[in-house]
Amino acid sequence: EAGVVQSPRYKIIEKKQPVAFWCNPISGHNTLYWYLQNLGQGPELLIRYENEEAVDDSQLPKDRFSAERLKGVDSTLKIQPAELGDSAVYLCASSLTPQLPLHFGNGTRLTVT
Amino acid sequence: SQKIEQNSEALNIQEGKTATLTCNYTNYSPAYLQWYRQDPGRGPVFLLLIRENEKEKRKERLKVTFDTTLKQSLFHITASQPADSATYLCALPVHGGSQGNLIFGKGTKLSVKP
Repeated sequence: EAGVVQSPRYKIIEKKQPVAFWCNPISGHNTLYWYLQNLGQGPELLIRYENEEAVDDSQLPKDRFSAERLKGVDSTLKIQPAELGDSAVYLCASSLTPQLPLHFGNGTRLTVT
Repeated sequence: SQKIEQNSEALNIQEGKTATLTCNYTNYSPAYLQWYRQDPGRGPVFLLLIRENEKEKRKERLKVTFDTTLKQSLFHITASQPADSATYLCALPVHGGSQGNLIFGKGTKLSVKP
């Protein structure tokens, strides 16, 4: 089966600019996650979707971050405006159900200058 | 809320030896615990899941134990190889049981020297 696909792999932007990341989960996986990973740290959850519904977005900084999962398949994570502290790797993952292991994409490495 | 401690940031061992990595949690007892491998520039890859009623789980050269009394899981790689060099992450449900999202430890970076 094809894995979780994320794009772009790398993104460099200046602070205050907007940026968007795209994720295509494994076909049939209803649960989709966006995680943030800083260097030397484990992934931290930003938002979890069940189909097209965001069921947990408590860790998403809603003043500048937004996400959508139209039609319950692909998802987009947006930051506007980006800040220097947003530099990190943004990982997308999917699973059949929330209790099953996660399948991760290779992430988007964001650098904000 | 739940906290995870992987108490070794880095572990260096000689090829052929057994690597043992530790994952401790502080609060609620999880219904299961998972281990992932992460290579540089890649997303984590699932390795093993062990449930609270399982003392031990094996997969090829990998072995995981789960001690709910000690609130600890041990991850062993026997006959280690340089290709096993990577960061290993443990993860468990944030609210205990099977509830809530997975939270991850910081990981242990394993280096296997030839």
